[in-house]
Amino acid sequence: DGGITQSPKYLFRKEGQNVTLSCEQNLNHDAMYWYRQDPGQGLRLIYYSQIVNDFQKGDIAEGYSVSREKKESFPLTVTSAQKNPTAFYLCASSLNSWEKLFFGSGTQLSVL
Amino acid sequence: GENVEQHPSTLSVQEGDSAVIKCTYSDSASNYFPWYKQELGKGPQLIIDIRSNVGEKKDQRIAVTLNKTAKHFSLHITETQPEDSAVYFCAASRTDSWGKFQFGAGTQVVVTP
Repeated sequence: DGGITQSPKYLFRKEGQNVTLSCEQNLNHDAMYWYRQDPGQGLRLIYYSQIVNDFQKGDIAEGYSVSREKKESFPLTVTSAQKNPTAFYLCASSLNSWEKLFFGSGTQLSVL
Repeated sequence: GENVEQHPSTLSVQEGDSAVIKCTYSDSASNYFPWYKQELGKGPQLIIDIRSNVGEKKDQRIAVTLNKTAKHFSLHITETQPEDSAVYFCAASRTDSWGKFQFGAGTQVVVTP
């Protein structure tokens, strides 16, 4: 089945530690995105990528980094500079630049 | 930039009744309006969308209406069922703004038997 796979489902971060969230898609989509979801709030865009080896900052990129070395993969690293990392992280992809986002099942990141 | 407001934040309906969620947007250039359903612990799923050249779209028990003049759009769910219980998000985007979806804060819908 085609879709987006995020792993792990749950992740814990210690103080000063960087952690990486995985996102893989087999939909042959060019565009991929990372969103952060906090309770009672809408989704906020962290980074997005239109094409391999290119990515752009979203609205809340500080403390995060990404790479796009393969079309299928768009990992997100939450760095120690992100002081409030506890949230539900969603990866998404789309065929076109601005419609029909397909989401993964998310990763819940918590701080120990 | 675009700002999307969504109301109500919670909605409780009896099974079989209708549910309506409303969103307003600020950017008159927005031209694509999707609705997503998110079940607990899962990612959002697209349930219906509408483009600015259309005033209404239906898909079985779900419909979306768009009023471009007033800059608001609504999701209508008829004959609600317990499996409709979830969080629903509206969003707005424009074709010249790559990847820039603006999401509403979400509506928690609870359908009671």
